[in-house]
Amino acid sequence: SQQGEEDPQALSIQEGENATMNCSYKTSINNLQWYRQNSGRGLVHLILIRSNEREKHSGRLRVTLDTSKKSSSLLITASRAADTASYFCATDAGGFKTIFGAGTRLFVKA
Amino acid sequence: DTEVTQTPKHLVMGMTNKKSLKCEQHMGHRAMYWYKQKAKKPPELMFVYSYEKLSINESVPSRFSPECPNSSLLNLHLHALQPEDSALYLCASRGTTGSYEQYFGPGTRLTVT
Repeated sequence: SQQGEEDPQALSIQEGENATMNCSYKTSINNLQWYRQNSGRGLVHLILIRSNEREKHSGRLRVTLDTSKKSSSLLITASRAADTASYFCATDAGGFKTIFGAGTRLFVKA
Repeated sequence: DTEVTQTPKHLVMGMTNKKSLKCEQHMGHRAMYWYKQKAKKPPELMFVYSYEKLSINESVPSRFSPECPNSSLLNLHLHALQPEDSALYLCASRGTTGSYEQYFGPGTRLTVT
């Protein structure tokens, strides 16, 4: 079963613009992660935010976490054509179980 | 070496065939995962092995049989599959102490005819 719901399902922007994706989840978590997947390939880990953190940065990525609303957002600044991919949030509730959200398909036009 | 390898890259099999998918990592990770992913959907957890023991089975049909022969290898044995089992099968691994990041292989694209 999928825990996370992501919004929007698809996003099309111009190169240089910012892209924001949102994720909601249902149960308590230890941490939340974001992954990127290029078409038909394996997933690549982008960033992890722990349940006691509210915001985290890594390069052009900014992640926020609101545990009271059970939601997270991923912001990609100054997007590039190479950022075109699907982005998934994933929640870790303990015991090695990881549940992925539905994902946002991002298309960045050059 | 942060690579997870999967073989084969592509597999076409009939409903009466028996085949196996293989996954290997040399990062010393003691947790290994199998996921199934359909087009435009998120990865769906199938099995988790921790310390070479099956710790999670997400009610997967018995026609899928996982095996973890040692801490570096993970197999998925396939038998009597259905066309709806056609999907991308992803293997992943992660550490068991203080690290939650999963490293994914490139996947095996399975087509059942």
